[in-house]
Amino acid sequence: DTAVSQTPKYLVTQMGNDKSIKCEQNLGHDTMYWYKQDSKKFLKIMFSYNNKELIINETVPNRFSPKSPDKAHLNLHINSLELGDSAVYFCASSQETGEAFFGQGTRLTVV
Amino acid sequence: AQSVSQHNHHVILSEAASLELGCNYSYGGTVNLFWYVQYPGQHLQLLLKYFSGDPLVKGIKGFEAEFIKSKFSFNLRKPSVQWSDTAEYFCAAVSGNTGKLIFGQGTTLQVKP
Repeated sequence: DTAVSQTPKYLVTQMGNDKSIKCEQNLGHDTMYWYKQDSKKFLKIMFSYNNKELIINETVPNRFSPKSPDKAHLNLHINSLELGDSAVYFCASSQETGEAFFGQGTRLTVV
Repeated sequence: AQSVSQHNHHVILSEAASLELGCNYSYGGTVNLFWYVQYPGQHLQLLLKYFSGDPLVKGIKGFEAEFIKSKFSFNLRKPSVQWSDTAEYFCAAVSGNTGKLIFGQGTTLQVKP
């Protein structure tokens, strides 16, 4: 049983398109995150939700919009995709201690 | 600002060599510390964690880390690396005040057979 699952695993799309990545966790955690991993492997936090409430919103273009319909789901919608958005996006959920469990990642390629 | 820094960006070792990867954090107050590993093409997995108590923590696959509060450090060690340890290693920290899990820049470990 996958703890944190995100779909799709791969996403290839053209510049200017709008796309969504979905994430679900079955661990009962209250906190969920989106991270962006660039080509140099650096992990940058984008957003964090706690029990459906946005608590962390880093300096991210407003083309990126997270949505949490319930505490087990955190989706990421991206408008007007740009070449620089190409990266691996990881969803994670965590306990109160901060110990995070990660999804498999979504490799987004914008062409 | 809260930050985590890893000193070694790329480490190359031969099998059976000892490993130490440096990690420093800049947080005030209570902090929880983690090391994660990312094998090629995979997601991040927890190696070990420190919340409180014994500053020497043991994790999976023979890894251990030592929390030194006075040095704001949480270095990762392994006495004898294997080829299968080739991966990216990330140090991370979260403060009780912010709940934000911040990662260091990562260290690429390459173990030669």
